[in-house]
Amino acid sequence: NAGVTQTPKFQVLKTGQSMTLQCAQDMNHEYMSWYRQDPGMGLRLIHYSVGAGITDQGEVPNGYNVSRSTTEDFPLRLLSAAPSQTSVYFCASTSGPTKFGYTFGSGTRLTVV
Amino acid sequence: TQLLEQSPQFLSIQEGENLTVYCNSSSVFSSLQWYRQEPGEGPVLLVTVVTGGEVKKLKRLTFQFGDARKDSSLHITAAQPGDTGLYLCAAYSGGSNYKLTFGKGTLLTVNP
Repeated sequence: NAGVTQTPKFQVLKTGQSMTLQCAQDMNHEYMSWYRQDPGMGLRLIHYSVGAGITDQGEVPNGYNVSRSTTEDFPLRLLSAAPSQTSVYFCASTSGPTKFGYTFGSGTRLTVV
Repeated sequence: TQLLEQSPQFLSIQEGENLTVYCNSSSVFSSLQWYRQEPGEGPVLLVTVVTGGEVKKLKRLTFQFGDARKDSSLHITAAQPGDTGLYLCAAYSGGSNYKLTFGKGTLLTVNP
């Protein structure tokens, strides 16, 4: 089925390790975003992109990098993992953010020990 | 950054009851969206509202956007156990800002 695919589903990292969370969509959506979801904090925007080659920071960008070389892919890189980055990460995409809403992936549950 | 306040934070009701959840802000929204999230899954879009005073219905769910576009409500009639989940509102401030800001959500439990 068409949609947003996130990998991996679960990951455990040691403090200081780096990794990339993968996100791919097959709906030809221009807009993509990364959110983290923490208990009591809701969904917070990390980075977003309005098209290939264009990215911008969200509410909580520190410690994360993104790139958008193609319309389909929007990977999120953790540069040096910290326990504070333990969270559930969601990638989402849309063809028109104000009219159509976002389609979300099923999430990556990350634990940093 | 606009702040979206959702209330109540938790709601536990019996099957067949009606309920309303609220989403409020001091800022004006260009559009507002409601999502439902089930455990272990990402949020799923329920509705988008863009016009002040707009009312949309989705089966037993009624969504209303305030006249001043600063608040919204979600009303569920005759709740069923399948309505259980986390209900999230999200909004754009408009212009070239494509940041979608979420409220913290209302966790609804409908008991059989």
